[in-house]
Parts: sequence; structure tokens; C-alpha cells
Amino acid sequence: GDSVTQMEGPVTLSEEAFLTINCTYTATGYPSLFWYVQYPGEGLQLLLKATKADDKGSNKGFEATYRKETTSFHLEKGSVQVSDSAVYFCALSVAFGNEKLTFGTGTRLTIIP
Amino acid sequence: ETGVTQTPRHLVMGMTNKKSLKCEQHLGHNAMYWYKQSAKKPLELMFVYNFKEQTENNSVPSRFSPECPNSSHLFLHLHTLQPEDSALYLCASSQDRPDLYGYTFGSGTRLTVV
Repeated sequence: GDSVTQMEGPVTLSEEAFLTINCTYTATGYPSLFWYVQYPGEGLQLLLKATKADDKGSNKGFEATYRKETTSFHLEKGSVQVSDSAVYFCALSVAFGNEKLTFGTGTRLTIIP
Repeated sequence: ETGVTQTPRHLVMGMTNKKSLKCEQHLGHNAMYWYKQSAKKPLELMFVYNFKEQTENNSVPSRFSPECPNSSHLFLHLHTLQPEDSALYLCASSQDRPDLYGYTFGSGTRLTVV
């Protein structure tokens, strides 16, 4: 079945550090890939997405590239801020499959000033 | 985008109470979902509705009863809950192709069962 594996957290970084959160997937078809972010006390918000291989999704300084050869979609940001502290979820959805989103377990990120 | 509204934001209920969670979207989406999010556990998909019809029930105990009167509204009726049911309950909605657009989530209802 379809699955998403994220790096275990929590991740703690200093402000302005470089961020990478790893995400790999297995899928029976051709998935679209997503990153969602959940700020404290809130629901999940779509951060970025990529719908085909080699696409790069980007938003708010975050980027992720759909790598079919390594089945990965790692989230990166060059310089994190305290306001980036949140839980980040990687997810996939397979077109013309059951089309539901399959989520990873989430990675908690804390940025210290 | 805050197109999915959940009420109440917080709910405390006793184990013998009956309460309902409400979810509303005016995004024109045709699918709606209930998720349970507990501390230190993955997101758990509970129910899926497509065009008001329930298409998935992931072995959820009968003390949780969903209702979808139309494509814009989704309810979760609660009765005789247990303390382990305390969690954040998230509602989401999507268009025909969630593989292209993803889901839109509400802010959740924080439920505490005492």
C-alpha cells in the first residue's frame, strides 16, 4: 500500500539555520506529494505541493523537489525563523487510485532565538 | 485559506454526555473527512463522505456517529465517550481531485472527556 516515512522529531534549530526534513514514500501509482504545516492550536495548512517528477514546490521560503529516482520529497529552508516552529507533515495522493491523502507521522520543529 | 469552519473550538464533556461537532465548508468541495489527532500518534482517518454518501469508516467505535446532510456540512455526534477519546478532531474537505489540490482543513475541535 501507499505510505510516507518522515524523519523522527523533534528537531530543534537556532534561528537562521538551514532546515531539512526528510520524507520518502512508497506508492502503487504516480503520486502527488504535499507538505502540510500545523501551527500550535491550529489545523493543517497546505504549505507546498508537487504533482509530477522533478517538480519543485515552494512557498514562504520553503522548497521541496519531487525526486522519483529516490522516492523522496525533502523539505528545505535556507534560514529558519522562530515563527516556523510547528509540526510538518509530508503526504501523498495517487491519481485515479483511492485519491485520499496518506500522511506521514509529522515532524515537530522548534526554532530557538 | 480558512474555508473550513469547525465549532466548537474546545469541548469538555462527561462520559455520559451527548454532544456534536460541526464542520462547514463553502468552497464547493464534494468530499469531507473526519480525522482524529492524538498526542504522539499519527493522524487517524475516521470517516470519508463523497457527495453526502459515506464511503469510508475506518473501524470507528459506534460511540462516534457521523452525519452529512449536504456537501457543505458534516457533523460528528458523540455519546458515552471514554477518556482515551480526548483528542483534536479535524475536519477536512477536498475537490474531485485531491491528488491535484490536496485537502483544506479546519482548525479543529479540542475535545476533553472527563
